[in-house]
Amino acid sequence: EADIYQTPRYLVIGTGKKITLECSQTMGHDKMYWYQQDPGMELHLIHYSYGVNSTEKGDLSSESTVSRIRTEHFPLTLESARPSHTSQYLCASSATSAEKLFFGSGTQLSVL
Amino acid sequence: GENVEQHPSTLSVQEGDSAVIKCTYSDSASNYFPWYKQELGKRPQLIIDIRSNVGEKKDQRIAVTLNKTAKHFSLHITETQPEDSAVYFCAAGGSNYKLTFGKGTLLTVNP
Repeated sequence: EADIYQTPRYLVIGTGKKITLECSQTMGHDKMYWYQQDPGMELHLIHYSYGVNSTEKGDLSSESTVSRIRTEHFPLTLESARPSHTSQYLCASSATSAEKLFFGSGTQLSVL
Repeated sequence: GENVEQHPSTLSVQEGDSAVIKCTYSDSASNYFPWYKQELGKRPQLIIDIRSNVGEKKDQRIAVTLNKTAKHFSLHITETQPEDSAVYFCAAGGSNYKLTFGKGTLLTVNP
């Protein structure tokens, strides 16, 4: 079934650890996005990609980095996690000529 | 960049009543206005969207209206049901396929 998958679903780590949040989609979409959702619900765009080898920073400054080596895969990496990174991270994708976003189930990250 | 304001932040209605959520946007170049519903612990899902060349769109109990001159758009839910309880997000976007979201409205429908 075509979908967008995120792993892990929950992650609790200590300060200073390097982590990678995985996002893969089988929708055949070119465009992919990472949103950070704070406890107050608001969604902030932190990274996006319009295709392979294309990545851009979003509207919210983030210490994370992303890569897009394959169309279906858009991982997000934190080199050194801090408590301020505690949040839910949502991956999304959309088709080439459409704006409709399809979201993954999210990764709830807690940094102690 | 685009700025989207959404009101109210919380809304409580009785089952069967109507609910209205309003959003304003700042960038006159925005031409796509979707609404997403996020149930507790689940992913946001698109429920309805409207483009700038249309003033109103309806899908069963939900409808969206757009006033481009005033730069505001609204979500209307009629005959609310308990399963409508969720967080609703409005968003605005343009030709760059980037969406800017409002802060969300927590809708509670009381049986």
